[in-house]
Amino acid sequence: QQQVKQSPQSLIVQKGGISIINCAYENTAFDYFPWYQQFPGKGPALLIAIRPDVSEKKEGRFTISFNKSAKQFSLHIMDSQPGDSATYFCAASIVGSARQLTFGSGTQLTVLP
Amino acid sequence: DTGVSQNPRHKITKRGQNVTFRCDPISEHNRLYWYRQTLGQGPEFLTYFQNEAQLEKSRLLSDRFSAERPKGSFSTLEIQRTEQGDSAMYLCASSLRSDRADTQYFGPGTRLTVL
Repeated sequence: QQQVKQSPQSLIVQKGGISIINCAYENTAFDYFPWYQQFPGKGPALLIAIRPDVSEKKEGRFTISFNKSAKQFSLHIMDSQPGDSATYFCAASIVGSARQLTFGSGTQLTVLP
Repeated sequence: DTGVSQNPRHKITKRGQNVTFRCDPISEHNRLYWYRQTLGQGPEFLTYFQNEAQLEKSRLLSDRFSAERPKGSFSTLEIQRTEQGDSAMYLCASSLRSDRADTQYFGPGTRLTVL
């Protein structure tokens, strides 16, 4: 199975709040888990990525938490800002392959001022 | 060059016509990918090139689709006899093959509308 399941489909957060987006995967061969941010009319842009040898990675206000046994990973956006309003996609790719990304279905985040 | 570029940005065509899209990757990136994204969904992998060789194709890539990457530089994606179901955003991404750096950089996409 190549599927990556993402939730919630949409999320509304107040400015300064924490946004949490969750993803689950089935294929244990996945070894690279990036999160992409996409604004309307633009292509996806890499936000942060993690490999399964660590359980957490933090870059500024963005943190990935990774649970290998549960085959789940999540994106936390601390101190959410209106400028963070975008669609977020989790993704995964497999070692030794062409590294094509399998994306989740996306979460539309709205941060209210 | 600061990123992946794609042309045209928008294409409207009638059913049955052929269309061709172009992608210019980041200089020296040897890997190039094509994805398709429909409204409200994540991108889906179509095909992959390493240098000029097309090494992998998705089952989504029907016989009406063909992609090339001559000389390992820019790439073209052609759709023959377009159908309404081909309406989507076609995204190109490039990356530099290395042991640790797998970052794929995406272009702005070409939005195709088939009438």
